[in-house]
Amino acid sequence: DADVTQTPRNRITKTGKRIMLECSQTKGHDRMYWYRQDPGLGLRLIYYSFDVKDINKGEISDGYSVSRQAQAKFSLSLESAIPNQTALYFCATSDSADTQYFGPGTRLTVL
Amino acid sequence: GQQLNQSPQSMFIQEGEDVSMNCTSSSIFNTWLWYKQDPGEGPVLLIALYKAGELTSNGRLTAQFGITRKDSFLNISASIPSDVGIYFCAGQLVDKLIFGTGTRLQVFP
Repeated sequence: DADVTQTPRNRITKTGKRIMLECSQTKGHDRMYWYRQDPGLGLRLIYYSFDVKDINKGEISDGYSVSRQAQAKFSLSLESAIPNQTALYFCATSDSADTQYFGPGTRLTVL
Repeated sequence: GQQLNQSPQSMFIQEGEDVSMNCTSSSIFNTWLWYKQDPGEGPVLLIALYKAGELTSNGRLTAQFGITRKDSFLNISASIPSDVGIYFCAGQLVDKLIFGTGTRLQVFP
């Protein structure tokens, strides 16, 4: 079984809809991250969390929110999706500041 | 936001050739990492570098932590078809990683 899972793997939605992307991990790591990948732009950090009560903004947090419900779960929400949020979204976990383990990604399309 | 400059942006090579890619930054990093992303998957760590000047190998892959701590290099020797993917560098900045823009590698038989 995968250590970091993301659901859904693919999602097509319409502008203005609320969307939630889920991430679960079985690695027992405290640190969890959400990234966005766009062609030619690499991975950009949206939000990160170092434990259940800790939420930190990354470089592109506008239009997104997160919830750390438990050590193993970190969800990303788009309150009102817009087309330029079409991208590949990755969750990652870590037990230190450097090595991060990534999930398989969620491909989100906003029409 | 801060991003690392990674080059080349893409490479098309023949099986058996060697590959070199690099990553540069205006900031100093204490740790450099190289990840590979296979099509349809999340990035996977290849090599981690913790010391300026360090040269580390992982099979056919060799990475170096630049002396200035502002750059890093990845070499792949004798490429094979499964080397296809996107390669990302990343530098550690306090409690976060800053990623490069990626090098897309295509290997032709």
